[in-house]
Amino acid sequence: GAVVSQHPSRVICKSGTSVKIECRSLDFQATTMFWYRQFPKKSLMLMATSNEGSKATYEQGVEKDKFLINHASLTLSTLTVTSAHPEDSSFYICSARATSGGTDTQYFGPGTRLTVL
Amino acid sequence: QKEVEQNSGPLSVPEGAIASLNCTYSDRGSQSFFWYRQYSGKSPELIMSIYSNGDKEDGRFTAQLNKASQYVSLLIRDSQPSDSATYLCAVKAAGNKLTFGGGTRVLVKP
Repeated sequence: GAVVSQHPSRVICKSGTSVKIECRSLDFQATTMFWYRQFPKKSLMLMATSNEGSKATYEQGVEKDKFLINHASLTLSTLTVTSAHPEDSSFYICSARATSGGTDTQYFGPGTRLTVL
Repeated sequence: QKEVEQNSGPLSVPEGAIASLNCTYSDRGSQSFFWYRQYSGKSPELIMSIYSNGDKEDGRFTAQLNKASQYVSLLIRDSQPSDSATYLCAVKAAGNKLTFGGGTRVLVKP
C-alpha cells in the first residue's frame, strides 16, 4: 500500500515552454500532497503544500505564478512549471500524506527529472 | 529557524557491521520522526517512523528516539552493500510539513 506515482519520469524542454508534472496516490486518498525540488548532492527543498479543493501554500522564495499547483481530486496533484528556464532544471519530487491508524506519514513519488535547454 | 542536523558522511562501514546514524533537531514541539533512504538519482523511500521515546525495530533497522535530548538515531545491523545510500532524517512538528536533514551518505564495503 501507500504507492505514489509521478508522470513523466523525465522531461526535456526548450527554454520558455511550460511543463506539467502529475502526482497520483494510487491506493489511498490524499487531501494533502507536497512538492519538493532537489538539486544534485543537496537535500530536499519543500516548494509548496498542495491542498485538495483549495489554494496551495508556497514556501518563502517560491514564485507561485511560476510554479502552478492544482489539487483537483483526492488522488491527483499537478505542478506546472511555466516559462521554464535552464535554472529550473532539477529533480522534482512529490509526496502524498497518508493518515491511518493514528499515523501520519508522507510517501514519495519516484520523481521527475526536468532538463530545460 | 527549525533545523534538523545530520553528519553528511560518508559513513564507511564494512559489510556485516552495524551502521549508526545520528540526527538532532531543534524544535522541541516535534512529534513525529522518520528515516528515509535515498539511492542516487531516486526519490526517498520510507524506512522507519517513530513517535515515542525508546527503540523501534523493523528487521535489520532500529530507530531510537530521545525527545529530552532532541535526538533520533538509526541503526542498520548486518550492513549489506545494497544499504549504500543517503539516509535522510525528517521531523514533523505541529502541522503537516516535514523538515529534512541534509542526509548522511553511507558506504558499505564488501
